[in-house]
Amino acid sequence: EAGVTQFPSHSVIEKGQTVTLRCDPISGHDNLYWYRRVMGKEIKFLLHFVKESKQDESGMPNNRFLAERTGGTYSTLKVQPAELEDSGVYFCASSPSGSTDTQYFGPGTRLTVL
Amino acid sequence: GQSLEQPSEVTAVEGAIVQINCTYQTSGFYGLSWYQQHDGGAPTFLSYNALDGLEETGRFSSFLSRSDSYGYLLLQELQMKDSASYFCAVRDGTGRRALTFGSGTRLQVQP
Repeated sequence: EAGVTQFPSHSVIEKGQTVTLRCDPISGHDNLYWYRRVMGKEIKFLLHFVKESKQDESGMPNNRFLAERTGGTYSTLKVQPAELEDSGVYFCASSPSGSTDTQYFGPGTRLTVL
Repeated sequence: GQSLEQPSEVTAVEGAIVQINCTYQTSGFYGLSWYQQHDGGAPTFLSYNALDGLEETGRFSSFLSRSDSYGYLLLQELQMKDSASYFCAVRDGTGRRALTFGSGTRLQVQP
């Protein structure tokens, strides 16, 4: 069974540009989460999808961040326009319905904003 | 708000036993998880405790005391490949599925 995959693995952009991160969860997992780790600090929750619906977006830092999960399969996280403080590692995780105590994480996308 | 405290670094030798502690403050409590992350890799689930007591999975065990808001991860028969960062994470009691992570403990296993 393939794990959670994320693309790209690294992205370097300039301040003010737009970047879109993609996450493909484990097949059949209804729950999809986005987290990020900034400047070596703790991993912080951004939002949670159940299928295509946003269940919890309380961790989204501001309206420059837009997450979508059309069709309830893969998800994208767009940052527009990117700021310096957005640099960090963005993780995606997924879990099956009925049991969300175990979240399976992807390898992350390292975003550097110059 | 919610917060978790865990030591920033721990060093041990191969074959030894190490315990990584985690204390938490949350709005309600649902469960405590532990994740391992090697440099550049994905956080990998290790264990989960919802009730008081010890959960054992091979060389790794995890303990929870809900009354003390405290848990620990116990790693036995340490191997060099256990060198990694270890994160405790809680799910609060509000019904949200989000995990709140500690800042991580970097374990260095020496020969």
